[in-house]
Order: sequence, then structure tokens, then C-alpha cells
Amino acid sequence: DAGVTQSPTHLIKTRGQQVTLRCSPKSGHDTVSWYQQALGQGPQFIFQYYEEEERQRGNFPDRFSGHQFPNYSSELNVNALLLGDSALYLCASSRTSGGYNEQFFGPGTRLTVL
Amino acid sequence: AQTVTQSQPEMSVQEAETVTLSCTYDTSESNYYLFWYKQPPSRQMILVIRQEAYKQQNATENRFSVNFQKAAKSFSLKISDSQLGDTAMYFCAFMVPYGQNFVFGPGTRLSVLP
Repeated sequence: DAGVTQSPTHLIKTRGQQVTLRCSPKSGHDTVSWYQQALGQGPQFIFQYYEEEERQRGNFPDRFSGHQFPNYSSELNVNALLLGDSALYLCASSRTSGGYNEQFFGPGTRLTVL
Repeated sequence: AQTVTQSQPEMSVQEAETVTLSCTYDTSESNYYLFWYKQPPSRQMILVIRQEAYKQQNATENRFSVNFQKAAKSFSLKISDSQLGDTAMYFCAFMVPYGQNFVFGPGTRLSVLP
């Protein structure tokens, strides 16, 4: 059973460009969350997708947007990249049910903005 | 809003010794979950241990145990018989049951020395 996978592993972009990061959830999971982890810091919640809709959002500007597909995979899009967007982007998946739902993390995508 | 604080940016311990990592949090919620996650150089976030706030008994997982002090809003992690493979960043995290997203602390870098 494959765990959470993310692509690409590394990415280099320049300021002002747009980027798309991809996440495939663990088998049986229907919910995907995205986190931004700047160097030397803890992950910060960006948003969560469930049933192809954004269910919850953290304190991130509209330049950050996402999408969830019918197969539960997800994309994170960032427009008009800034130097400060350089970070490790983590995806976590879970299966929504009552109560606590354990989240499993992917290995992340390292984005560098020059 | 919830906040998580880890006051020890870096710690080191000799192999086979015991080390305790500190975490404090702030919330007005009465029911929540607390977690310790490990992030080795491979970047994969790995769940170490979970505590439910309504349970008074401290959680344990093999060599890992917590000291949960709800009134003091404190949640420390004790690692016994430290192993070289325990070298990693350790993040304390908070989640409300209906929220489904983590609030992470800034992390503690733990080095286990041979």
C-alpha cells in the first residue's frame, strides 16, 4: 500500500512565476491538507480539501489556491511567487469520519524561489 | 487561536540515555488532541505519540512517553534509551476535534550522540 506521495521532489522557480504541486493521498483516504514549512520552522496550515471543496483555510493569501480531483488527489497552486514562498510544502491525507482521523504526511516538495 | 511553544531549539543526548523535550500550548478549548511528530532528514513527518486531553492517563509508545499537565498546558516528551535513529526535528502539535488541522510548534532539533 503506497503512502502519501508528492511531486515533484524539488522545484526551482523565479519571482513572479506560478507553480503547481501535486499530492496523491494514501489509499482509502478522502481528505487532503497542505502545509508550508519554512526553513527552521514548524509547518503552517494552508488549507484542506474534502469532497473536491476547500473545507478549511489557514492564514494564507489568495495567491495560494488548490483543487481536489474525483480520485481524491490534490494540487496546490501558488501564483506570483515571492522569495518568501521558498519552503517545504507538505501534504497530509486522512479519511474523514467521526472523531479523530489520523493524518499521514508525504515527503514534501522543496520549492526554491530565486 | 491556539499557539504551541517549544522553548528548546536544540538538544543533545548520549546514546542509551533519557531526554525530555518540552512543549507548552495555549487554548480556550476543553477537548483537544496533542501530538509529537518526528521529522528526520528525509523530511517525512512521522507520528510519535498522541494524547487526548480528556484522558488523564499519560500516553506511552514503547520508549516514548508523555507528561501531560492539562492545568499547566504542558505536554513534554520523554525518550528513554535514546538511539542514533532518534536524531531528528521533533514537533509538538495541537488539534481541536472538529478542526482537522494541526497547529505546530517551532520544533526542537535533537541529536543523539554515540
